[in-house]
Amino acid sequence: NAGVTQTPKFQVLKTGQSMTLQCAQDMNHEYMSWYRQDPGMGLRLIHYSVGAGITDQGEVPNGYNVSRSTTEDFPLRLLSAAPSQTSVYFCASSSGSQGAGELFFGEGSRLTVL
Amino acid sequence: QQQVKQSPQSLIVQKGGISIINCAYENTAFDYFPWYQQFPGKGPALLIAIRPDVSEKKEGRFTISFNKSAKQFSLHIMDSQPGDSATYFCAASIGTSGTYKYIFGTGTRLKVLA
Repeated sequence: NAGVTQTPKFQVLKTGQSMTLQCAQDMNHEYMSWYRQDPGMGLRLIHYSVGAGITDQGEVPNGYNVSRSTTEDFPLRLLSAAPSQTSVYFCASSSGSQGAGELFFGEGSRLTVL
Repeated sequence: QQQVKQSPQSLIVQKGGISIINCAYENTAFDYFPWYQQFPGKGPALLIAIRPDVSEKKEGRFTISFNKSAKQFSLHIMDSQPGDSATYFCAASIGTSGTYKYIFGTGTRLKVLA
């Protein structure tokens, strides 16, 4: 029972490079989301999806893209990495309708942008 | 108005003592108040949650106290143990246009001394 799986766990990028953080869940949850965690800032919502083909912006969406082609996968793309995107990224899914209820988090992806 | 203010930023408690973490919010439309526990290198996990129609909820050593009029809620950890050492996040959920979003506090790093 894997839950929410994120890859990679660690990544170092140079400014301007692009990359994709992968997120997969095996709980058949319709709702999936991406957060970033920074010291003293808590968890901030980047993008979320309430089902395949449906995505929307959260609190801090600039510099990130998402897509949702299947129920299981919700990748986060950094188009042109900047040092301000150095953070720990968490993917989360919810069994509740439209995101209500408990969030299940992955173990995080730590990204450093030089 | 969407913020959730959490205090203290860090907390040191002796084994067997009571740990208390406080959160305050402004938006009365919030309708779900969870607490998440995060161990180093892991994603947050739901610890306990409350809805605003209840003033207190207890699960084992963990209790949420909710004061709707003051727009405050707190987490009490009774008989604190070294294994409780973690970062704790309060959150508030709001449904907007049929989708729920979470606003997280900035986190409290708890250390329980043996």
